[in-house]
Amino acid sequence: DAEITQSPRHKITETGRQVTLACHQTWNHNNMFWYRQDLGHGLRLIHYSYGVQDTNKGEVSDGYSVSRSNTEDLPLTLESAASSQTSVYFCASTSGTDYNEQFFGPGTRLTVL
Amino acid sequence: AQSVAQPEDQVNVAEGNPLTVKCTYSVSGNPYLFWYVQYPNRGLQFLLKYITGDNLVKGSYGFEAEFNKSQTSFHLKKPSALVSDSALYFCAVRDRTGGSYIPTFGRGTSLIVHP
Repeated sequence: DAEITQSPRHKITETGRQVTLACHQTWNHNNMFWYRQDLGHGLRLIHYSYGVQDTNKGEVSDGYSVSRSNTEDLPLTLESAASSQTSVYFCASTSGTDYNEQFFGPGTRLTVL
Repeated sequence: AQSVAQPEDQVNVAEGNPLTVKCTYSVSGNPYLFWYVQYPNRGLQFLLKYITGDNLVKGSYGFEAEFNKSQTSFHLKKPSALVSDSALYFCAVRDRTGGSYIPTFGRGTSLIVHP
């Protein structure tokens, strides 16, 4: 069955370190998204991609970057981790049809000390 | 611009009773509307969506939602709640005319079903 996976599921890091969260989908979806989930804020969009070599900033992109070298993967990099980036991160994907729902990964819980 | 509001942070209901989780939206054009459910330590799962046509949409696990254009609402309902329905529910909207695949999510409503 097609799926979307994230790794690691849990990560503890220190302020200032670079961290990369992996997202891999086997749906062959063109569109991929990164969100962070924080209490009281719901889901906030960090970055998104509509295809290979395409990346776009979301509403809370400062301090994060993504790259899309193939259809399956959209890794999220925290260039210099800050305590404010402690959160749960979700990757999602959807096909090119605009009324289709998103498929979400299981999430990565990141703690920055 | 598109936005969505879930006016209740938490909804409490007794098992066997009907439940309603509220959602209102704002879009420039016509909406695509979605409901997702999130169980503890899991990602969001799709429940149902409104695209066009019949205003009453049926989805997974016995849930349904009614699209009301005049009230710009898309409330989630279930005739008889189960304890296992306890979870976090998110409403999302996407404006059809925007040409974007980016939905806007509400802040979520925690549904607690008491035995």
